[in-house]
Amino acid sequence: AQTVTQSQPEMSVQEAETVTLSCTYDTSENNYYLFWYKQPPSRQMILVIRQEAYKQQNATENRFSVNFQKAAKSFSLKISDSQLGDTAMYFCALVTQGGSEKLVFGKGTKLTVNP
Amino acid sequence: DTGVSQNPRHKITKRGQNVTFRCDPISEHNRLYWYRQTLGQGPEFLTYFQNEAQLEKSRLLSDRFSAERPKGSFSTLEIQRTEQGDSAMYLCASSFWGASTDTQYFGPGTRLTVL
Repeated sequence: AQTVTQSQPEMSVQEAETVTLSCTYDTSENNYYLFWYKQPPSRQMILVIRQEAYKQQNATENRFSVNFQKAAKSFSLKISDSQLGDTAMYFCALVTQGGSEKLVFGKGTKLTVNP
Repeated sequence: DTGVSQNPRHKITKRGQNVTFRCDPISEHNRLYWYRQTLGQGPEFLTYFQNEAQLEKSRLLSDRFSAERPKGSFSTLEIQRTEQGDSAMYLCASSFWGASTDTQYFGPGTRLTVL
């Protein structure tokens, strides 16, 4: 079975600063993908960034980047130059390739960006 | 390109009533997933379809729950004899399954309140 753990229920950051959200996971599979999704208050979940496990290079999307440590099964999200619109729940999720490819989510981290 | 849509967005019902939710996926997507999200938790997998075939159901999906995707396009999720414990956000996601694992794109969800 796959598990995803987010150990920070809540975090806050000042606008324009950098924040890192932590995620660890467990799977016995070799082929898998990791995702960070963002869920703003009362709005739908949207993809922030995606990482293929077979790629050593860390994924980057504009102000968002990940630190993927495969041996440690760690997948943290770094948000640079935080903006008020980054305030949201952030979920780390895992998909193993093959079969249903259902997402397994962590419990989320509530991020608040303060002006 | 329209995203995933879900209707209704909110549903309030009395215990014991039946409810039905609808999900319209992104048009070219052949996989459709249902998840349930309770307060303070990440989404949990319920079931998924590949085209019109329902290929996996979670043990969370009791006999009171049924899902269909009759023509491989939209899907419905029905809950019979609702219970207060069914109160949650029901999320639909779609993806294109092919040579590699695709990202799942989420709809806005249907928030169910059972009184």
